[in-house]
Amino acid sequence: EPEVTQTPSHQVTQMGQEVILRCVPISNHLYFYWYRQILGQKVEFLVSFYNNEISEKSEIFDDQFSVERPDGSNFTLKIRSTKLEDSAMYFCASRDGPGQFFGPGTRLTVL
Amino acid sequence: KNQVEQSPQSLIILEGKNCTLQCNYTVSPFSNLRWYKQDTGRGPVSLTIMTFSENTKSNGRYTATLDADTKQSSLHITASQLSDSASYICVVSASTSGTYKYIFGTGTRLKVLA
Repeated sequence: EPEVTQTPSHQVTQMGQEVILRCVPISNHLYFYWYRQILGQKVEFLVSFYNNEISEKSEIFDDQFSVERPDGSNFTLKIRSTKLEDSAMYFCASRDGPGQFFGPGTRLTVL
Repeated sequence: KNQVEQSPQSLIILEGKNCTLQCNYTVSPFSNLRWYKQDTGRGPVSLTIMTFSENTKSNGRYTATLDADTKQSSLHITASQLSDSASYICVVSASTSGTYKYIFGTGTRLKVLA
């Protein structure tokens, strides 16, 4: 069964460093999403992406964040200058119909 | 305001017992409701998806119900197993002109004991 994959599974970085989280959505899906989940809290929407542009973003998704689909398969989330509070699980999701399929997540730890 | 509330916040049951998790929502315009199982440190995995016209849907030992009039859903787990220990998240989507918004509940953390 096709699935969403994410790399790395765990990323440790120093405050102020840039990180890029990678996702490979399911191949025939057209809509892509990033979510985050701070430990013990609910999943929060960051951004949705369709037709090579951002279709919606939350207030969390400020100018420190960016997304890109650099080729036909990858979908990336970049955080330019990480802060301690960016430590969380980051989930990528994709869909073609009404339901989303989630990747396994990347655990980001900012020291 | 679009909201999804789940109860209980956490639940402990013995292996083999049944349990029911609740989800109440105020989401408009309603498109569908999905229950996810999330193991610790993993991504959510879909269990069921229900549209407005569906009252019940089963997936093995999981049975979801939907009452669109009262805006309530439940997830019933039959004959629980240790591997059912996880968080269960209710996600309601609203759809306008083909654009979907996904509103997440806070989840119910289920612990199944031997």
